[in-house]
Amino acid sequence: KQEVTQIPAALSVPEGENLVLNCSFTDSAIYNLQWFRQDPGKGLTSLLLIQSSQREQTSGRLNASLDKSSGRSTLYIAASQPGDSATYLCAVQTGANNLFFGTGTRLTVIP
Amino acid sequence: GAGVSQSPSNKVTEKGKDVELRCDPISGHTALYWYRQRLGQGLEFLIYFQGNSAPDKSGLPSDRFSAERTGESVSTLTIQRTQQEDSAVYLCASSLGGSSNEKLFFGSGTQLSVL
Repeated sequence: KQEVTQIPAALSVPEGENLVLNCSFTDSAIYNLQWFRQDPGKGLTSLLLIQSSQREQTSGRLNASLDKSSGRSTLYIAASQPGDSATYLCAVQTGANNLFFGTGTRLTVIP
Repeated sequence: GAGVSQSPSNKVTEKGKDVELRCDPISGHTALYWYRQRLGQGLEFLIYFQGNSAPDKSGLPSDRFSAERTGESVSTLTIQRTQQEDSAVYLCASSLGGSSNEKLFFGSGTQLSVL
């Protein structure tokens, strides 16, 4: 069964810093990898989707990379802002319309 | 609607009672998913609908859990004889066609507390 791990579980950084969140998965047979953010009391918002044939995706200050063979992905956030504070979830899709989620990294950006 | 809508947003019930959770997906989305998120844990897949059919029910934790979808729109997740371990946030998501490279759009969830 696919297992998704996210490190660190929590991270605090001062505003303006660049940061990297890590995600690893055990089975490289994936269709895609997605990064979501989850705000307290709200649902998940899709940030980036990287197809298995792609190496990275960028959206604004966010850049996600995928190394399928080693089972790793990183989410890079440039020039962090207090509004970036949230829990970031990584998920891999393995056929059959199912996503396996990690437990997330709780990010706090300190003004 | 503009997004995925779930109701109620919060539900407190007594152990042994039945509950119904509702999800209204984005209009035109044929795929619908239910997930459960226990406190401090990752999301657990419960069930997936393509149209009104549920080709994958593998995540339903017991026969107390059931779900249906009608009109290729609204879905209801029913939990019978609730137990305290059922306490969690239940999240619904939808996608346009259910193919393997589509983004999922999530609702805000229903926080279920079983006393």
